[in-house]
Order: sequence, then structure tokens, then C-alpha cells
Amino acid sequence: GENVEQHPSTLSVQEGDSAVIKCTYSDSASNYFPWYKQELGKGPQLIIDIRSNVGEKKDQRIAVTLNKTAKHFSLHITETQPEDSAVYFCAASRDSNYQLIWGAGTKLIIKP
Amino acid sequence: DTEVTQTPKHLVMGMTNKKSLKCEQHMGHRAMYWYKQKAKKPPELMFVYSYEKLSINESVPSRFSPECPNSSLLNLHLHALQPEDSALYLCASSQGEPGYEQYFGPGTRLTVT
Repeated sequence: GENVEQHPSTLSVQEGDSAVIKCTYSDSASNYFPWYKQELGKGPQLIIDIRSNVGEKKDQRIAVTLNKTAKHFSLHITETQPEDSAVYFCAASRDSNYQLIWGAGTKLIIKP
Repeated sequence: DTEVTQTPKHLVMGMTNKKSLKCEQHMGHRAMYWYKQKAKKPPELMFVYSYEKLSINESVPSRFSPECPNSSLLNLHLHALQPEDSALYLCASSQGEPGYEQYFGPGTRLTVT
């Protein structure tokens, strides 16, 4: 079946540095790719998403890139801050589906 | 406003109890979802309601019974649960058609004793 691989499982970066989380999907028909941030004890928060007709999307310190040929997409966070510490999930779906195929998650730790 | 609310925040129940989880959204969304999340895992889809009709049931045991009384409300009725059902139960909502952004509530932390 379809799956999404996410790496790394844990990422520790110095405050102010950049963080990159990568995902690879298997279903070539996937065309919607959201990223969620989940803080301890809270529900997942949609932070950015991209559709397959776009290669890159930015929102302040956060950007997502998509390589459809390689079936890769990545989350980039610049100038990391302590409040960026959380678990980040990538997901993929077809726009004909309600189901999201989730990555396993990345625990991002920002060191002061 | 992208708020989905869930009550209660925490619930402890015995295996013979009956309880209900509630979810509400006022974003005009016509699709609502129940997910189950175990520690250090991504959410697992349980049910999807689209336009108040059950659209997806991911082979969930019958001890979980969803209900969508209207377009803003979603309930999950629980009966005869097992300890392994202990998890964070998340509600989400989106536009009625598939392929739209899903917005999650804060979840209900359920413990079955």
C-alpha cells in the first residue's frame, strides 16, 4: 500500500540555525502534501501545505519544497526558536481522498 | 477562525462503562473526522463523515460508535472498551469535498482501566 517515509526521527539544532525534515512518498498520484506540528499534549496544527502544481511555498520562516519526479518533499525552518520544538508530521494524499498517509514523525529539539 | 473544540480533555473509564466524546466546529466545514493517536505515532483515521453521512469506517471495532447530529457536531460513543484503546482521540474537520486542509482539535486523552 501507499506509504510515506520521514527522516530523521529526531533532529537537534542550535537555536538560530536551520532545520530540514524530509519525506518520500510512494503513491505517484498523491498531489496534496501538508505538514503538521504537534506540541506535547496538543492536537496537530497545520503549519504549511503544498499541492503538486507548485514546487515551493514559503510562509515567513517556514518553507516546503516538492520534487514530484523524485517523490520527495521537505520542510525547511530557518532561524529556529525554542517554540519550534515539537514533533513534526508530513503527510500525503490524493485530492480525491479524505485519507492522509502520514510519515512517522520527527522530534525537533532546539538547543538554547 | 480555525478552531475545533473537543470535550472532555481527559477521560478515565472502566471497561464496562459507556461514555461519549464530543467535537464541535463553527467553520462551516462539512467533513468531520475521528482519529486515534498512540504515543509517538501519527494519527490513525477511524471515521469520516461527509455532509453528515458516514463516508469512511476504517474497520473500527463496534465498541466505537460515531454519530453526527448536525454539520457542526460529531460524537464518538464508547462502550466496553479495552485497556489497549487508551489513546489520544482527535477530531478534525475540513471542507466537505476530499482534498482540503484538515484542522484538528486538541484531543481527548482517554484512559481505560
